Amino acid sequence: KNEVEQSPQNLTAQEGEFITINCSYSVGISALHWLQQHPGGGIVSLFMLSSGKKKHGRLIATINIQEKHSSLHITASHPRDSAVYICAVMIYNQGGKLIFGQGTELSVKP
Amino acid sequence: DVKVTQSSRYLVKRTGEKVFLECVQDMDHENMFWYRQDPGLGLRLIYFSYDVKMKEKGDIPEGYSVSREKKERFSLILESASTNQTSMYLCASSIGTLTEAFFGQGTRLTVV
Repeated sequence: KNEVEQSPQNLTAQEGEFITINCSYSVGISALHWLQQHPGGGIVSLFMLSSGKKKHGRLIATINIQEKHSSLHITASHPRDSAVYICAVMIYNQGGKLIFGQGTELSVKP
Repeated sequence: DVKVTQSSRYLVKRTGEKVFLECVQDMDHENMFWYRQDPGLGLRLIYFSYDVKMKEKGDIPEGYSVSREKKERFSLILESASTNQTSMYLCASSIGTLTEAFFGQGTRLTVV
């Protein structure tokens, strides 16, 4: 079993829909990243969370440390949101090393 | 803005060649990382470094070495490239242990 599990693996949505991507992990962490990867490979960090909730534009990320679970929400989705979204956890006391989920491939249709 | 720059977007090398992948960051970050990304396996840590001349093995170091002679530059070396090293390679850096990581654009390496 992977230490970081994401669901769903693939997601197709219609433009305007509310989208949720989930991440569960089984290890002690100091922080969790949500990353976005567009075709071509470059990765951008969307959020880094250690508790609670963060919001940036139409993106919202939440984390429940006790339940070892995080969600990424996209409101009013748009075709430009189509990308792979990756959850990555920073292991407690291991100096910034990340363990990654498998990624969720999101396609938003117009 | 922090910038992490990888020297090549695409590389094609022959089996047995020595390959250098270069990564440079411009924000004086202590920590630098090399990952590879493969379909079905996600991103996996190859090597990382917390400071100049320091290096630590990640989860899949076999067949690779690294060099960090200057703080801003972290090089990944494939001593003798093999076809199973065909992959997307991503470099990342961070300033400390509880800070955001910044990624390069990736190098897609094909070994033929």
